[in-house]
Amino acid sequence: DVKVTQSSRYLVKRTGEKVFLECVQDMDHENMFWYRQDPGLGLRLIYFSYDVKMKEKGDIPEGYSVSREKKERFSLILESASTNQTSMYLCASSTSRVREQFFGPGTRLTVL
Amino acid sequence: GNSVTQMEGPVTLSEEAFLTINCTYTATGYPSLFWYVQYPGEGLQLLLKATKADDKGSNKGFEATYRKETTSFHLEKGSVQVSDSAVYFCALSDQSGNTPLVFGKGTRLSVIA
Repeated sequence: DVKVTQSSRYLVKRTGEKVFLECVQDMDHENMFWYRQDPGLGLRLIYFSYDVKMKEKGDIPEGYSVSREKKERFSLILESASTNQTSMYLCASSTSRVREQFFGPGTRLTVL
Repeated sequence: GNSVTQMEGPVTLSEEAFLTINCTYTATGYPSLFWYVQYPGEGLQLLLKATKADDKGSNKGFEATYRKETTSFHLEKGSVQVSDSAVYFCALSDQSGNTPLVFGKGTRLSVIA
């Protein structure tokens, strides 16, 4: 089974802190994605990556950056966390051949 | 661009009731269609999928048929259980394998005993 893991299930940070959310997949998938999920807004795509060292902006990239130094790992970085970044963050991966995405369990981030 | 519209919730049903969650899409070409389910406190899991017109996806008693003429992929279950309480997302993927899925906003289902 494909496994996508995220570094934390729950995280509490202070405004202005630099925050790293890590995602690792174990099935050699080319594509990886970061979403945030908020009530009433559904899933919104932040960034995605087709390959190592490649990244593409999604619908809401402002305030975020990403890093993909290895194929299995995709990091989401909040350079200076703000309260409006309090949310559930979901990571996913997929291959180009099989279009379905496999999701991690999510990280619920609270910024105080 | 591509888009997915699904019925807004929340939907509340009694156990053993019939469920329909409507999903319609806008896309060029021949997208693949998916239903994902998110149980409380968890990530999304693929529930079922269909890759071409008239395909029927099915899993755990849920079904959905890819209707190109009506651009729809409605989710149905004949008899829901309390354990089906979750948020359901309809999604599509265009013909490019690298393009992110386009998701609907989700429909929350609550099933009461």
